[in-house]
Amino acid sequence: EVQLVQSGAGVEKPGEPLKISCKSSGYTFTDYWIGWVRQMPGKGLEWMGVINPSDSQTTYSPSFQGQVTISADKSISTAYLQWSSLKASDTAMYYCTRRGLGSMSGVGDYWGQGTLVTVSS
Amino acid sequence: ERVMTQSPATLSVSPGERATLSCRGSQSVNSDLAWYQQKPGQAPRLLIYRASTRATGIPVRFSGSGSGTEFTLTISSLQSEDFAIYYCQQYTIWPWTFGQGTKVEVK
Repeated sequence: EVQLVQSGAGVEKPGEPLKISCKSSGYTFTDYWIGWVRQMPGKGLEWMGVINPSDSQTTYSPSFQGQVTISADKSISTAYLQWSSLKASDTAMYYCTRRGLGSMSGVGDYWGQGTLVTVSS
Repeated sequence: ERVMTQSPATLSVSPGERATLSCRGSQSVNSDLAWYQQKPGQAPRLLIYRASTRATGIPVRFSGSGSGTEFTLTISSLQSEDFAIYYCQQYTIWPWTFGQGTKVEVK
């Protein structure tokens, strides 16, 4: 069974760094790209970027380029999303998702449960 | 960036009735269009990809159609578990983009 399990929710202070995780199981981690999607409170969905776990090649949406870093550790089948300095506007739910293959190559076919990041002083 | 526009924003439907949701692209996305369902407190769930192909395990009452800039998601007979928000997403060009969503609520 394919599963993506994300790290837990947290309240963080502005200016602090943060790294959240997404652990995959039930399939070969290096065969599928992982993407991160943001959902701000009460709002829609936004693709932030994607990573190829086999070689760590990343592609960011222009809106998120330079704002976050996506990485992966294939030895433990885990992808990461990190910030060097959080802002209040980073408050959102963050989902990881497995990018499908072939005709599904631009969709998220399996999703993590989400990590709620709240940035507040 | 390709902008996806969904209509209506809210659709009020009685159980057992048909629901028709629309998604329009600012430019052609060919057939690179997916539909997702999201219920409160849950992650999105893939329903349709390649405009009209149901994902694994998705009931036949969900169907997608369209190509180019105009797409439709039809739920043939709404069940209680279908009341949710539905998003379309194009993946013909990066960044992949979602529509703003259509909320299907009980009439």
